[in-house]
Amino acid sequence: RKEVEQDPGPFNVPEGATVAFNCTYSNSASQSFFWYRQDCRKEPKLLMSVYSSGNEDGRFTAQLNRASQYISLLIRDSKLSDSATYLCVVSSDTGRRALTFGSGTRLQVQP
Amino acid sequence: DAEITQSPRHKITETGRQVTLACHQTWNHNNMFWYRQDLGHGLRLIHYSYGVQDTNKGEVSDGYSVSRSNTEDLPLTLESAASSQTSVYFCASSEDRGRTDTQYFGPGTRLTVL
Repeated sequence: RKEVEQDPGPFNVPEGATVAFNCTYSNSASQSFFWYRQDCRKEPKLLMSVYSSGNEDGRFTAQLNRASQYISLLIRDSKLSDSATYLCVVSSDTGRRALTFGSGTRLQVQP
Repeated sequence: DAEITQSPRHKITETGRQVTLACHQTWNHNNMFWYRQDLGHGLRLIHYSYGVQDTNKGEVSDGYSVSRSNTEDLPLTLESAASSQTSVYFCASSEDRGRTDTQYFGPGTRLTVL
């Protein structure tokens, strides 16, 4: 079983739609959680960290459920520029340790 | 501006050859990482370093080595390239600020082993 699992998609949605991605992780000792964004053939970039209380950054909302070991990302009012692969990422140590990446969920926003 | 660079960006080599991929960061970050990315696997950790003279194996370290002689550089060496090592390689760095250390990635090196 993979340590971080995501639905690979693709999710094809029209502009303006709301879309949600889910992710599960297997290591209950995981302490830090992130969503990274990766455009085609480019390097991953941090989209947002995920906090226990849930957090929002503009149109993006991230939620964490430690009991179920489940992370979500909600994108409201999708834009064409949101088309990318979204990587769910966990760290099993505070700060310094390398990250464990999910395989990613591909989003295609259509006009 | 501080940045992280990788070279070469593209490399074609033959089975059995030794190959070194360069990674250079100007953020003065202590932590540096090498990942490979393949279809269906996402990014997998090869080696990482928490500082000069420190190196550690990741989940897919067989056939690879790294050395850290200064803060800025973490070169990745494929001792004897194999076709299974055809992949996109990403270097990343982060500083030790605590719980949520953002990793900054280089642009990647696309390696083909024939």
